[in-house]
Amino acid sequence: GENVEQHPSTLSVQEGDSAVIKCTYSDSASNYFPWYKQELGKRPQLIIDIRSNVGEKKDQRIAVTLNKTAKHFSLHITETQPEDSAVYFCAAKDGGSQGNLIFGKGTKLSVKP
Amino acid sequence: EAGVTQSPTHLIKTRGQQATLRCSPISGHTSVYWYQQALGLGLQFLLWYDEGEERNRGNFPPRFSGRQFPNYSSELNVNALELEDSALYLCASSLALGGKEKLFFGSGTQLSVL
Repeated sequence: GENVEQHPSTLSVQEGDSAVIKCTYSDSASNYFPWYKQELGKRPQLIIDIRSNVGEKKDQRIAVTLNKTAKHFSLHITETQPEDSAVYFCAAKDGGSQGNLIFGKGTKLSVKP
Repeated sequence: EAGVTQSPTHLIKTRGQQATLRCSPISGHTSVYWYQQALGLGLQFLLWYDEGEERNRGNFPPRFSGRQFPNYSSELNVNALELEDSALYLCASSLALGGKEKLFFGSGTQLSVL
């Protein structure tokens, strides 16, 4: 089955700086890679996703890159703001099951004003 | 449109007891997923139900089980509770057709085993 590793586990940046979170996956059959944001005390919500036929995707201040050969993908947040503070989870769709997502352990991002 | 709802919000049990957690998906969603969120361990996949059938399960012992009802709501049962079962249990649902991968999460059930 799929295994997803995520790092760093914690990340602290100054407001306005960029933040990068990296993930690796094990199953070469995986073809869908979403990122979820979980604010304190709230439910996880999808913020961006990428499919295996695309190398990069952007949505305003956030972007995701995918390297299929190396089996890793990254989340980039530019011009960070205090409201970006949250736990971010990467995930990969289990290629074998064709259905469920396997998540990384999460990165707690703190943006200091 | 109502989101994914879970009940109860909090559940306190003692070791050895059984716990039942409930989830109602968004209307029109046929897939329901259960995840365990324990401190520092991220979102660990438990079970996936679709159209009333169990489609896949994660690396959890058989005392974790569940079912999906004809109205697509779902129940997670945990038998013979252990202290390490204390965690937030999140349910998520997804569309039947197209965009199936996007998960909509509920607010979770916080299970405490004493």
